[in-house]
Amino acid sequence: GAGVSQSPSNKVTEKGKDVELRCDPISGHTALYWYRQSLGQGLEFLIYFQGNSAPDKSGLPSDRFSAERTGGSVSTLTIQRTQQEDSAVYLCASSLISSRAGTEAFFGQGTRLTVV
Amino acid sequence: SQQGEEDPQALSIQEGENATMNCSYKTSINNLQWYRQNSGRGLVHLILIRSNEREKHSGRLRVTLDTSKKSSSLLITASRAADTASYFCATDAADMRFGAGTRLTVKP
Repeated sequence: GAGVSQSPSNKVTEKGKDVELRCDPISGHTALYWYRQSLGQGLEFLIYFQGNSAPDKSGLPSDRFSAERTGGSVSTLTIQRTQQEDSAVYLCASSLISSRAGTEAFFGQGTRLTVV
Repeated sequence: SQQGEEDPQALSIQEGENATMNCSYKTSINNLQWYRQNSGRGLVHLILIRSNEREKHSGRLRVTLDTSKKSSSLLITASRAADTASYFCATDAADMRFGAGTRLTVKP
């Protein structure tokens, strides 16, 4: 597709269940970013990938969160044993090279996760 | 890793007025970018300014960069109700972190 695609767009899950959020970046983009945004708040950085590698995982809120990227393309963010405080919009972005190189980032429309 | 910090947190103006928001950062940069977010969904890239540039224009947007003060400003001239959004800056750190943003409300 032409843009960054995230799925599902909305997800309602029961507390304690695992969820997988998917991000399809723009083809050829090497950098991929995950953020979390609670209602009315700023963007909380979670993790970024350069190719398939994640140089810094310290932004992940707890060990219930994990992310992977395969083939330098699709990325999945997995949240295990979801809690109500995980409810938020999860945003993914991709960039041709990186912000350091001055290439702009393109964002998906996000996945709205609600834990009940 | 550094991130830009925007101020003010919120700004409310009348249609037709100019809106100015600021971004401060801590360490030297090669470039700085501004983004806009409508309705809590994906951000949209507005403009990039490089460290060797002092000012850049794009339509009704004017961005300045003062590397000696480690700050940037985004000016929106002749604002419209459609400019109502949150605005974020991002430095060129590899992990591209954002501040809390400036929430702009333009009243018709």
